Amino acid sequence: DAKTTQPNSMESNEEEPVHLPCNHSTISGTDYIHWYRQLPSQGPEYVIHGLTSNVNNRMASLAIAEDRKSSTLILHRATLRDAAVYYCILRGHNAGNMLTFGGGTRLMVKP
Amino acid sequence: GAGVSQSPSNKVTEKGKDVELRCDPISGHTALYWYRQSLGQGLEFLIYFQGNSAPDKSGLPSDRFSAERTGGSVSTLTIQRTQQEDSAVYLCASSPGQARSYEQYFGPGTRLTVT
Repeated sequence: DAKTTQPNSMESNEEEPVHLPCNHSTISGTDYIHWYRQLPSQGPEYVIHGLTSNVNNRMASLAIAEDRKSSTLILHRATLRDAAVYYCILRGHNAGNMLTFGGGTRLMVKP
Repeated sequence: GAGVSQSPSNKVTEKGKDVELRCDPISGHTALYWYRQSLGQGLEFLIYFQGNSAPDKSGLPSDRFSAERTGGSVSTLTIQRTQQEDSAVYLCASSPGQARSYEQYFGPGTRLTVT
């Protein structure tokens, strides 16, 4: 399976935008890029996913590099509730049907 | 609508006892997954059900672990002769299908403590 690399942790100030990076240099052409987050003491929560084009939904935006070897999850205005571990996950034809979680990025939001 | 539910939310058991953990997926979701998360660790895949197909059991850590899904809906994860290393949060997720473009919806988990 193609692997992802994320920073262990990041800090943000409340009400400011946050850009969470993910490197996936071995991504294949059919791999989808998924983002999940896990708030303290809760199960993971789906955030967004994309294949080639940038994507927007009510929670976040996903910017995918033209060569698809990296992507960035964008939270437009961080709130205290956004403090969580964010996981970047690739899902491809041969990856099985489960999600393979790495270490993720722990986002801390300061008031 | 209702999300994925799991019961019990917490379970404390003695080493050597059997436990059953229950998952009620979102209605209509054909795919169901079990994961576990040990303290301070990442999520680990256990087993996957898709419709009437044979389950993918490749993630089960030992033959003490088994799971079934009745009627394509509710699933039960059973751990026999529990060991202390089985202590973890057990998470269930469901999905509208198996396609890799689908998202998974997670339940709140069952925290299992083996004493």
